[in-house]
Amino acid sequence: KNQVEQSPQSLIILEGKNCTLQCNYTVSPFSNLRWYKQDTGRGPVSLTIMTFSENTKSNGRYTATLDADTKQSSLHITASQLSDSASYICVVSVYSGAGSYQLTFGKGTKLSVIP
Amino acid sequence: DGGITQSPKYLFRKEGQNVTLSCEQNLNHDAMYWYRQDPGQGLRLIYYSQIVNDFQKGDIAEGYSVSREKKESFPLTVTSAQKNPTAFYLCASSMIEGSYEQYFGPGTRLTVT
Repeated sequence: KNQVEQSPQSLIILEGKNCTLQCNYTVSPFSNLRWYKQDTGRGPVSLTIMTFSENTKSNGRYTATLDADTKQSSLHITASQLSDSASYICVVSVYSGAGSYQLTFGKGTKLSVIP
Repeated sequence: DGGITQSPKYLFRKEGQNVTLSCEQNLNHDAMYWYRQDPGQGLRLIYYSQIVNDFQKGDIAEGYSVSREKKESFPLTVTSAQKNPTAFYLCASSMIEGSYEQYFGPGTRLTVT
């Protein structure tokens, strides 16, 4: 069964500190991996999307890495801000043919940044 | 502004009543999706549609129905057959070609009592 496991489940850090969120997946065949940020009560917003051949991708203070061999990804947040408080969701995509993509969602990591 | 909208933001219904959630997009996307989100769980796919007048069941379609009469609109009806309808519902859309990035709406929180 295709699965996406995220850790930790929740995390509290001080403003200005860095943190790293983890995502392990068993999805196959892999197409791409996405990280989304979801504020409480809002829809997810895309941070990065990486294909099989990409090892790292940055979006401002967010840097995602991908190791397709070990099926692991991480999201590193630098110099955290209070506005980074949100759930971060890892999503792995499998191409299922005829222009159709099957997405498997992780349960998310809930990040709280405190002053 | 281009984007995807959902209405209403909050919806309350009595058990046994059908309710329809609205989803509209002006991104000219071909594909649209409905997801359900419950606390502590990942998003689960209810239905998706790649073209007008065609849609496919997702992982948890029982108790739900959809229609796709226009490219811009993909309403979801939560029927009385859905055993546990209280949840946060998210609509998304994407192009068929290209990166297939999915763009999400702001969500509708449905509470059934």
